[in-house]
Amino acid sequence: GAVVSQHPSWVICKSGTSVKIECRSLDFQATTMFWYRQFPKQSLMLMATSNEGSKATYEQGVEKDKFLINHASLTLSTLTVTSAHPEDSSFYICSATGTGVPGEQYFGPGTRLTVT
Amino acid sequence: GQNIDQPTEMTATEGAIVQINCTYQTSGFNGLFWYQQHAGEAPTFLSYNVLDGLEEKGRFSSFLSRSKGYSYLLLKELQMKDSASYLCAVRSPYGQNFVFGPGTRLSVLP
Repeated sequence: GAVVSQHPSWVICKSGTSVKIECRSLDFQATTMFWYRQFPKQSLMLMATSNEGSKATYEQGVEKDKFLINHASLTLSTLTVTSAHPEDSSFYICSATGTGVPGEQYFGPGTRLTVT
Repeated sequence: GQNIDQPTEMTATEGAIVQINCTYQTSGFNGLFWYQQHAGEAPTFLSYNVLDGLEEKGRFSSFLSRSKGYSYLLLKELQMKDSASYLCAVRSPYGQNFVFGPGTRLSVLP
């Protein structure tokens, strides 16, 4: 139980284009999902908290107009990187709080984004 | 403010025991989690402490002292597959989000 999937697992796009990443909870409903970014050899940095049916809460320093988050259902959240630049190249990971250990987050497998 | 500290790298020998420390200073506390992350993969849950003391889970144990803002992850009978990054994360009491430490890269040598 408590499986989270992400799609795509990797993507290469050209500078200036937009990329959408999907995060799905496969066997449970996730009222809240989280989006993280991880640069090589660094830890996870929380970008935003995605709440079903409402606007996402962004962390300080994260541009909400550049990283669009939509949480339209209890099993799907999407992150769209708009007008991508090479510095947006990173590993993007989503997570959702499941029904096991209180507060435990279940992580998706991540999406490797490379902007050329 | 939020500050979580871990050693950057550690090396240990197969079959040995290793202790990875984590100290934290956060505005609020609602549990401390340990995750394992292999390169290029998502973190996987290892252990969770919300009260002081030791939680044992097979080869892995985690300890918490809230008064000292300190936790450690103990790995016994190390195996080569334990080579990975180990992340400690403090859960906020004001929501469900985590603050992650910088991670400790553990290398297990034969």
